Amino acid sequence: ELKVEQNPLFLSMQEGKNYTIYCNYSTTSDRLYWYRQDPGKSLESLFVLLSNGAVKQEGRLMASLDTKARLSTLHITAAVHDLSATYFCAVIQGAQKLVFGQGTRLTINP
Amino acid sequence: GAGVSQSPSNKVTEKGKDVELRCDPISGHTALYWYRQSLGQGLEFLIYFQGNSAPDKSGLPSDRFSAERTGGSVSTLTIQRTQQEDSAVYLCASSLFTWTGPTGANVLTFGAGSRLTVL
Repeated sequence: ELKVEQNPLFLSMQEGKNYTIYCNYSTTSDRLYWYRQDPGKSLESLFVLLSNGAVKQEGRLMASLDTKARLSTLHITAAVHDLSATYFCAVIQGAQKLVFGQGTRLTINP
Repeated sequence: GAGVSQSPSNKVTEKGKDVELRCDPISGHTALYWYRQSLGQGLEFLIYFQGNSAPDKSGLPSDRFSAERTGGSVSTLTIQRTQQEDSAVYLCASSLFTWTGPTGANVLTFGAGSRLTVL
């Protein structure tokens, strides 16, 4: 059974700092997703990573995928308060079933 | 519609009652998913539908839970004899599934969710 684990689960950081969220998964998969969820809101798609070595960037967020290590990272550069949210990674199991990690609750303080 | 629509947005019910939650996916999306998110937790897969194929029900937690998708569009998730542990946000998502090998992205678009509280 596919397991997806994120760390850290909670992260409090200061504005302007850099940090990385890690997503490990237990079985082979060729697609990995990152989603953002604001409090009381639904999930918003951030990135889809489709192959080994894939890197996607949007503003201060950059995601990468290493399928051999079964690891994806979400890197935050020079954090700003607006990035405070919960971030989920998710991995495809089989043809279409998406299995989510526990989420990383990110709080960025002024 | 422009997005995935779910109703009701909030539902409070008494233990033992049945509830129905509705999901209206994005027009043309062939795949529809139900997930459950308990307070402060991640997303738990419940069921998904793809076109006319048999649904994947592997995530339904008990036989009190069932779902159907009529005409390949609207879906209803039914919980019978609700229990307090059923309290959660139920999220629906849809996608335009394309299996085109390495370029197939199948990004899920989520609705705002239905918050269920069982007293």
